[in-house]
Amino acid sequence: DTAVSQTPKYLVTQMGNDKSIKCEQNLGHDTMYWYKQDSKKFLKIMFSYNNKELIINETVPNRFSPKSPDKAHLNLHINSLELGDSAVYFCASSQGDRVQETQYFGPGTRLLVL
Amino acid sequence: SQQGEEDPQALSIQEGENATMNCSYKTSINNLQWYRQNSGRGLVHLILIRSNEREKHSGRLRVTLDTSKKSSSLLITASRAADTASYFCATDSGYNKLIFGAGTRLAVHP
Repeated sequence: DTAVSQTPKYLVTQMGNDKSIKCEQNLGHDTMYWYKQDSKKFLKIMFSYNNKELIINETVPNRFSPKSPDKAHLNLHINSLELGDSAVYFCASSQGDRVQETQYFGPGTRLLVL
Repeated sequence: SQQGEEDPQALSIQEGENATMNCSYKTSINNLQWYRQNSGRGLVHLILIRSNEREKHSGRLRVTLDTSKKSSSLLITASRAADTASYFCATDSGYNKLIFGAGTRLAVHP
């Protein structure tokens, strides 16, 4: 059983397009996250949601809009894609909203903007 | 700025040898975590060490923490080819978020 799943796994698109990445967790966790991993493997937090409420917004451009329809899902919509958005995007979840808790990561979505 | 910085960036060893990776950070922390990332996969939590702990073990993993030097090390003993992965430290500096380093790429050759 997949604990944290993301779709799609790969996404290749043109500059200027709008795309969405979906994330679902079946762990019953209250908190979900989006991370961006760049080509140098740096992993940076973008957003976190606790029980559908935004708790971290890490100065990400407002072209990125997370949406949490329920606490098991956290989707990421990206408008007007730019070349610099090319990266691997990871979704993660944890039981609570305290960072000392273990985070469980999805397999990642590899986004390539041409 | 990056909080955790791993050293070395890459490490290549033979099966059976020990692998040591280091992590340095800049500000005070509440805890430090180590994660593993296999190629093309998500991160997997390995171990968490709190700021008041100095050493922690989990199977073949040994983590140390020196808060005076703001550094941590991850030792993998008797390495196996399956340990080939990137290893990241992540620190919690009290702002309710984890800060990850760029990782150490470990290659274990049979």
